[in-house]
Amino acid sequence: DTEVTQTPKHLVMGMTNKKSLKCEQHMGHRAMYWYKQKAKKPPELMFVYSYEKLSINESVPSRFSPECPNSSLLNLHLHALQPEDSALYLCASSQVPAGAGLQFFGPGTRLTVL
Amino acid sequence: SQQGEEDPQALSIQEGENATMNCSYKTSINNLQWYRQNSGRGLVHLILIRSNEREKHSGRLRVTLDTSKKSSSLLITASRAADTASYFCATGFTGGGNKLTFGTGTQLKVEL
Repeated sequence: DTEVTQTPKHLVMGMTNKKSLKCEQHMGHRAMYWYKQKAKKPPELMFVYSYEKLSINESVPSRFSPECPNSSLLNLHLHALQPEDSALYLCASSQVPAGAGLQFFGPGTRLTVL
Repeated sequence: SQQGEEDPQALSIQEGENATMNCSYKTSINNLQWYRQNSGRGLVHLILIRSNEREKHSGRLRVTLDTSKKSSSLLITASRAADTASYFCATGFTGGGNKLTFGTGTQLKVEL
């Protein structure tokens, strides 16, 4: 299985809602990532988990809270978001070589914040 | 910002023609990777070239890397309408752990 799955595909939420994005992989990868992508822009790294521990937080606002319950799952908890947080949220995974290896991306969750 | 730059930003060609995209970056790297993204979808990795390699081929793809100029190019030969997508280079740099830094991207349109 060489697939990264993400749910939901689309999410519309109000600024007072709490929601979660989910990501799953069964490739045995021990690094997992969250990216945010705006239209016609490159993906922007948000978080990196390595061996289920948070290793990189790119100064992301606390209204985004990542969680890695086990080596196959990655969640992104959302609370009190702003309209400017509307974007495509991509999850990815990779093996853990030095210097970054190929990443496998999920199809993304299209988030709209009203 | 460590972000690399790609040019052109947009490229429109006829089916059967070759497409060349260029990527420049700023830091020392371990490897450089190319990804394709169809509209609104996830990214698909195309090819990885290590810092000690100069050229790599995969099917209709040819990637070159010039570390002295901090630049790379992606050539797609005999393009097809299905190649229409955005293409991003991404660099894994020394001391960066598992972090990739993506370039600004090239939007390729292949017309019939």
